[in-house]
Amino acid sequence: GNSVTQMEGPVTLSEEAFLTINCTYTATGYPSLFWYVQYPGEGLQLLLKATKADDKGSNKGFEATYRKETTSFHLEKGSVQVSDSAVYFCALSGPYMEYGNKLVFGAGTILRVKS
Amino acid sequence: GAVVSQHPSRVICKSGTSVKIECRSLDFQATTMFWYRQFPKKSLMLMATSNEGSKATYEQGVEKDKFLINHASLTLSTLTVTSAHPEDSSFYICSARVRVAENIQYFGAGTRLSVL
Repeated sequence: GNSVTQMEGPVTLSEEAFLTINCTYTATGYPSLFWYVQYPGEGLQLLLKATKADDKGSNKGFEATYRKETTSFHLEKGSVQVSDSAVYFCALSGPYMEYGNKLVFGAGTILRVKS
Repeated sequence: GAVVSQHPSRVICKSGTSVKIECRSLDFQATTMFWYRQFPKKSLMLMATSNEGSKATYEQGVEKDKFLINHASLTLSTLTVTSAHPEDSSFYICSARVRVAENIQYFGAGTRLSVL
């Protein structure tokens, strides 16, 4: 079945450092890929998504590219801020005929940014 | 963006009692809502898919009689944990989908259930 593996945290960085959070997946066909972020005390929010191979999702300075050949969707940001401290979840969905719109999540990666 | 409200945010109850958790879409109609359970340091696990006006579809291994889901309107779904026991203690999260084609879920802030 579908599954998502993401790097364990916590990841601790200084402000303005470069961020990479690795995410790889196992799925049949061509799933849609997502990154969700959960700030303390809040619900998960969609950060970015990509629906086909080589698509790049981007939002708030974060980027991730759908790599079919390596089954990866790594999250990157060039310069993190303290306000980026949160838990980041990689997720996939699909294919629709087999799985509907169900989301399968990775375990989440805690990011801590120090000033 | 679309807002999903989940209530209560935290509940403590005695073993054997039932607890109801509400999930509301505040500014949109949600034909489909989802209920997840999150264990410490683990991922969100889908429990069931709730469609307005019909019975919920439960994932394998989830007890239907333990976790009662009702989706009576386009803006409200409820999860009732019946005869709760300490092993039911967990973080429960709901989400709602606006449109099938968009395939984006909007999440509530979650409910921390502690069963004594």
